[in-house]
Amino acid sequence: KQEVTQIPAALSVPEGENLVLNCSFTDSAIYNLQWFRQDPGKGLTSLLLIQSSQREQTSGRLNASLDKSSGRSTLYIAASQPGDSATYLCAFRLQGGSEKLVFGKGTKLTVNP
Amino acid sequence: DGGITQSPKYLFRKEGQNVTLSCEQNLNHDAMYWYRQDPGQGLRLIYYSQIVNDFQKGDIAEGYSVSREKKESFPLTVTSAQKNPTAFYLCASSLRRLAGLTDTQYFGPGTRLTVL
Repeated sequence: KQEVTQIPAALSVPEGENLVLNCSFTDSAIYNLQWFRQDPGKGLTSLLLIQSSQREQTSGRLNASLDKSSGRSTLYIAASQPGDSATYLCAFRLQGGSEKLVFGKGTKLTVNP
Repeated sequence: DGGITQSPKYLFRKEGQNVTLSCEQNLNHDAMYWYRQDPGQGLRLIYYSQIVNDFQKGDIAEGYSVSREKKESFPLTVTSAQKNPTAFYLCASSLRRLAGLTDTQYFGPGTRLTVL
């Protein structure tokens, strides 16, 4: 059974701190991996997508890495701000043309002013 | 503005009633998806459609039905056969690449369904 585990489930940090969110997956035959942000009661916003042939992607203060051999991805947030407070979800898509995304349960991040 | 809209934002249903959730996109995306999100759980795929007039079951299709008569629209009906329908429902869409695979999924704002 394909699974995605996100640790920690919740994280609280002071403003300005650099932080890392972790995502591990059980199937190395992934096609790509995405990181999403979800604000309370809202839909998901795609942050970064990493293809299986890539090692990392960057967008502003966000950097996501992918290590297929170890089944891990990390989302690095630099100089965190209160506006970064949200739940962060990772999801992977398998090779073979599957349309299915397998989601983790998310990490709830709180950045305190 | 381009995007995905879902309506209504909140929906209340009595037990035994069917309800239909709307999802519309003007992104010219080929593929559309319905997910269910329960507290403390990841999203689970209900149904998806890669082209008009075609759709496939996801992991938890029982008690749900969909149609894809137009590229822009992918309504989800929650039937009385769905035993525990109270949840947050998210619709998404993605562009279909020439190779037959889809790109990043873009999500709508969601509909919260509560069964009374």
